[in-house]
Amino acid sequence: KNEVEQSPQNLTAQEGEFITINCSYSVGISALHWLQQHPGGGIVSLFMLSSGKKKHGRLIATINIQEKHSSLHITASHPRDSAVYICAVRETSGSRLTFGEGTQLTVNP
Amino acid sequence: GAGVSQTPSNKVTEKGKYVELRCDPISGHTALYWYRQSLGQGPEFLIYFQGTGAADDSGLPNDRFFAVRPEGSVSTLKIQRTERGDSAVYLCASRISGGSGGYTFGSGTRLTVV
Repeated sequence: KNEVEQSPQNLTAQEGEFITINCSYSVGISALHWLQQHPGGGIVSLFMLSSGKKKHGRLIATINIQEKHSSLHITASHPRDSAVYICAVRETSGSRLTFGEGTQLTVNP
Repeated sequence: GAGVSQTPSNKVTEKGKYVELRCDPISGHTALYWYRQSLGQGPEFLIYFQGTGAADDSGLPNDRFFAVRPEGSVSTLKIQRTERGDSAVYLCASRISGGSGGYTFGSGTRLTVV
């Protein structure tokens, strides 16, 4: 079992739909990151969370430390949101990130 | 520079050859990480530097892989006797140590071993 699991692996939506991507983890963490990766490999950091909720534009990220679960929401999705979204955790015992396998999101016009 | 720079962006090499991949982190970021990402998977940890020293090299798959950061800024990942299974995107990230500093990733080096 991976330490960080994401669902779904693949998600196809129509433009304008509300999207949720889930992340569960099994280790103690000091922070959880949501990252976006476009074709070609570049990774952009979207959020870093240690508790509660953060919002940036149409993106919302929440975390429940007790349940070891986080969600990334995209409101009013757009084709330019199409990318791989990756959840990564920084364990309390170290400095490195442990990554989920990513969710491939495709938003159709 | 403004971001983390990785060179080359693409590298094709023959099986058995030696390769070097370079990462130039954000100025002032003392922590530097190397990750490897195979197709369709999330990145996997290779090695972490704090300053000039390797604080955690537990992710290096075998002794063909080695990384250095002699002056605490630029890092080089070195792979000897490359194998086809080494083909992947090699990602570098840097951050300011301590506190709640986030990670900044480079665009990666796509290594193909033929």
